[in-house]
Amino acid sequence: NAGVIQTPRHKVTGKGQEATLWCEPISGHSAVFWYRQTIVQGLEFLTYFRNQAPIDDSGMPKERFSAQMPNQSHSTLKIQSTQPQDSAVYLCASGRDRGDTQYFGPGTRLLVL
Amino acid sequence: SQLAEENSWALSVHEGESVTVNCSYKTSITALQWYRQKSGKGPAQLILIRSNEREKRNGRLRATLDTSSQSSSLSITATRCEDTAVYFCATDEHYNQGKLIFGQGTKLSIKP
Repeated sequence: NAGVIQTPRHKVTGKGQEATLWCEPISGHSAVFWYRQTIVQGLEFLTYFRNQAPIDDSGMPKERFSAQMPNQSHSTLKIQSTQPQDSAVYLCASGRDRGDTQYFGPGTRLLVL
Repeated sequence: SQLAEENSWALSVHEGESVTVNCSYKTSITALQWYRQKSGKGPAQLILIRSNEREKRNGRLRATLDTSSQSSSLSITATRCEDTAVYFCATDEHYNQGKLIFGQGTKLSIKP
């Protein structure tokens, strides 16, 4: 069991460019979560999927951020027109179901210059 | 607004000593979880304690939950250098299970 896999581990983009972050959840887990971590804001919930369906995107900035889960083996978080304030570690987690233990990946460190 | 928060930003103890991290939360919950995050890694769950439980143990770790005061504690006995990490409490919301609300974290340093 490789755990939750996130790629890339580090990404540097220029302001205004698009960034796509990739998450492969643990096989058999039905819930997939995205969080963002910064020094100032800490760990913030962004969105989650259950059985590939979007359930709660209340933490997603309304513009520029979108997440998808086209199949049970991967989810993507896309940020359009990246801004310096988007710089953060983006963490993906998966769990057998909502309310259960969430297993986190190592994160993708995004730096927007 | 934060729904969960630890009560100390940082703690430091010597190896072998015991330490307790406290957490308070503000909503009705179904469970509270304690996570540990080491440098460069994602958080890893230590203990999940449900709202109908008062205490849970996992090896050298002991978590308590007091729903009346909306508080929890995580105690670590016989600390080791590898316990150095940031410790978070995280709660779900009773009517919105799934997403976790994390506290700001307590940085624990274990000195040799």
